[in-house]
Amino acid sequence: GNSVTQMEGPVTLSEEAFLTINCTYTATGYPSLFWYVQYPGEGLQLLLKATKADDKGSNKGFEATYRKETTSFHLEKGSVQVSDSAVYFCALGMGGGTSYGKLTFGQGTILTVHP
Amino acid sequence: DVKVTQSSRYLVKRTGEKVFLECVQDMDHENMFWYRQDPGLGLRLIYFSYDVKMKEKGDIPEGYSVSREKKERFSLILESASTNQTSMYLCASTPSGRPLTGELFFGEGSRLTVL
Repeated sequence: GNSVTQMEGPVTLSEEAFLTINCTYTATGYPSLFWYVQYPGEGLQLLLKATKADDKGSNKGFEATYRKETTSFHLEKGSVQVSDSAVYFCALGMGGGTSYGKLTFGQGTILTVHP
Repeated sequence: DVKVTQSSRYLVKRTGEKVFLECVQDMDHENMFWYRQDPGLGLRLIYFSYDVKMKEKGDIPEGYSVSREKKERFSLILESASTNQTSMYLCASTPSGRPLTGELFFGEGSRLTVL
């Protein structure tokens, strides 16, 4: 079946540091890939996505590139802020009609950014 | 603004009690989902529904059932709560348009403690 593996957390950084959160996946077929973010006390919200190989998703200074050859979708940000402190989830979804939009999620990575 | 509302943010129940978790969305979405979120395990799909009165098992349906009598409402039922069902429960919805966008809209979650 499909699966997503994220790097172990928690990750603790100082403000303006560079961020990488690794994500690799296993899937049959050609999935779409997503990063979701969960701020404290809130539900998840979509951060960015990529629907085919070599696509780059970006939003709020975050980026991730869909690498089919390494089955990866690593999240990066050049300079993190305290407000980026949250839990980050990598996810995949299959676009076929029987998927109904359901996603498979990774374990989540807790990010804490200190001033 | 799109909205997925979960009726209870925090619940404490006793072993053996019947528990209802309610979710309502105001976006006229066809697909609705119940996930549970546990540290280190990420989000795992319990059940989903792609239409009124239709339901499909997810990855961990044991001990749960669901009801979808109206398009906007999707209920998760724990027939006899057990301590291993202590968790955060997240409801989500997405439209059925093609191609599937992969954007799930999440509620804020219901944290259930079973004593």
